[in-house]
This record gives sequence, C-alpha cells and structure tokens, in this order.
Amino acid sequence: GAGVSQSPRYKVTKRGQDVALRCDPISGHVSLYWYRQALGQGPEFLTYFNYEAQQDKSGLPNDRFSAERPEGSISTLTIQRTEQRDSAMYRCASSLGSGQALYEQYFGPGTRLTVT
Amino acid sequence: AQKVTQAQTEISVVEKEDVTLDCVYETRDTTYYLFWYKQPPSGELVFLIRRNSFDEQNEISGRYSWNFQKSTSSFNFTITASQVVDSAVYFCALSEAQGRGSTLGRLYFGRGTQLTVWP
Repeated sequence: GAGVSQSPRYKVTKRGQDVALRCDPISGHVSLYWYRQALGQGPEFLTYFNYEAQQDKSGLPNDRFSAERPEGSISTLTIQRTEQRDSAMYRCASSLGSGQALYEQYFGPGTRLTVT
Repeated sequence: AQKVTQAQTEISVVEKEDVTLDCVYETRDTTYYLFWYKQPPSGELVFLIRRNSFDEQNEISGRYSWNFQKSTSSFNFTITASQVVDSAVYFCALSEAQGRGSTLGRLYFGRGTQLTVWP
C-alpha cells in the first residue's frame, strides 16, 4: 500500500512569507507526528496528533508554527513569517497508534524548506 | 540533557572492514524502545530495527547486528564486511513507553553518525 506522502518535496520561499507543508499518512493510521531536522542533526519532535486532536505541541519552537489535522487524516504544518533559521527538512511520520504498533512509525520522504 | 548520544560524528572505513556505531541512551522509564534508522544521501529515513527494553537478546540480520546492553545503557550497531552502499548517516533513537510527561511514541534521536565506506 501507499506509504506516508509529503508535499511539496522541496520549497524555497522568501523570508517573511508563509508556507504550508502537507502530510498524508498511511490510511488507517491514527497517530501522526511532525519532526524537524536541521542540517547535520537528528530529527526533533514538533507536534503530535491522535486522530484530529493535537495532543502535544510542546516541540513547536514559537507561535509562528502551527499544525492541524481537521479530519484525522491529512495534516498541515504552517509556518508564518518564515525566517532563515526555519530552513530544515520537515518530516512527518504516522503509526497505527495503539499497543506495540504505536512504536512503529513510518516516515514520509520529508519536505526540504529553504528560506532565502 | 540529550536522551540519545551518538559520540561518533563521522566514521570512515574501507570496504569489507567491520564497523561499529555507538549509541548511549538515557531514560528513567523501565519500558522503552530503541531504534536505528539509516538516512542515505537521498534523504529518506529508513527503519532498520526496533528493540524493546525487556529483550536484551542480540540480533543479527545479514551483515547487520545489534548489541543491546541495559547495564551500560547502550545499543550499538555493527556492520560486518561493510560495502559502499552502507555509506549513510545512521541515527539511533529512543521512545519512552511510560509517558511521564512525554508523548507516547515520540522519538528522541541522536545527532547521527556519518559512515563513509571507501571502495
């Protein structure tokens, strides 16, 4: 079946613009995570959804970052007034969300964001 | 404090050499999971293995093997007879299962080890 998909794969934007990054999880996966990976670093947690509920947003760096998952499937991560320090790979992962399967996260290909 | 430490930033070996990537973790949970991921130059994250804290048996999969030692909080990864295609960044990660102030399933990654295998 189809894996996690993310779009766009690459995004170049000018400082101050807003961007929206999309994640389409594996069908039936109730848990969805966003991570950010700076160059030369490991991915860092941003936020977590269980179905449509955003249950943890402690990793969002500031209030320019927001995420939603209104119907419990596709999620959008929005960055307002982008800054150069927002440049990174943004990764989405999903899992079935219960029992052992909670710990089987499948990652999408990522969106490489470059803010100029 | 870092929950996962990968002290080796870069390792270079020549093809057919064995190489071990180190991973040390820190958690107060008694139930947790440890992972290794591979990130090839193409950039995707490829899942390699997941181990839970109750299973300390070493695992071998082809040229890959993993050594989990709770006594030293380590989960090391060995590639035997390395090949050029093994060149990638390798990440070790931890997920805590008791949710003490932490989202269940959330992964804590190390900074990664860049492995270069020369022909």
